[in-house]
Amino acid sequence: DIQMTQSPSTLSASVGDRVTITCRASQSISFWLAWYQQKPGKAPKLLIYKASSLENGVPSRFSGSGSGTEFTLTINSLQPEDFATYYCQHYNSYPYTFGQGTILEI
Amino acid sequence: EVQLVESGGGLVQPGGSLRLSCVASGLTSSVYGMGWVRQAPGRGLEWVSSISSSGTSTYYADSVRGRFTFSRDNSRSTLYLQMNSLWAEDTAIYYCAKERYSSSSVVGLFDYWGQGTLVTVSS
Repeated sequence: DIQMTQSPSTLSASVGDRVTITCRASQSISFWLAWYQQKPGKAPKLLIYKASSLENGVPSRFSGSGSGTEFTLTINSLQPEDFATYYCQHYNSYPYTFGQGTILEI
Repeated sequence: EVQLVESGGGLVQPGGSLRLSCVASGLTSSVYGMGWVRQAPGRGLEWVSSISSSGTSTYYADSVRGRFTFSRDNSRSTLYLQMNSLWAEDTAIYYCAKERYSSSSVVGLFDYWGQGTLVTVSS
């Protein structure tokens, strides 16, 4: 199975900051990677798919990049509503594994 | 508006069974693959199972294969997850999720999620 490893596990930032979260796959997944945002008590929300494609309705301050085994999620000009937990997930083949999550805190 | 509503969660004893349901509305659910993803309390997300749009193909995580069965009734826009031989490690919120692409196969990319139903396995 493909393992997904995110770093950091926790990230402290302030409103207006630019932050980057990294996700590494244990083997190449081409660009079959998604990023989700989850807030407490809520279901995950799809932000990015195919490594860099922005899901409909997601603000343009979110962006994704990478291919193969290394990927990043960047959030420019953090807004108060962006403080949440972020997960990467590969969908190269099943089983579709998630990273352990990155908590973005104020 | 796409809505996925799960039900059927609750408290069950170790070794017991439970059947979860997920009703899809606001879409032609029969053209989309679907999945279940779970989240243990305070933990991360774990993909559990996926089913093709027709229901003829199913896929399972190793942790549930042989114990869980994913099925669907497209005439009722309803998905089912039959869970047998439940153990404490299965305690989690179970989310029903829709595949982003309409296809006869599954991709594993989910764009709509339900709010989840909590399954607690405890004596």
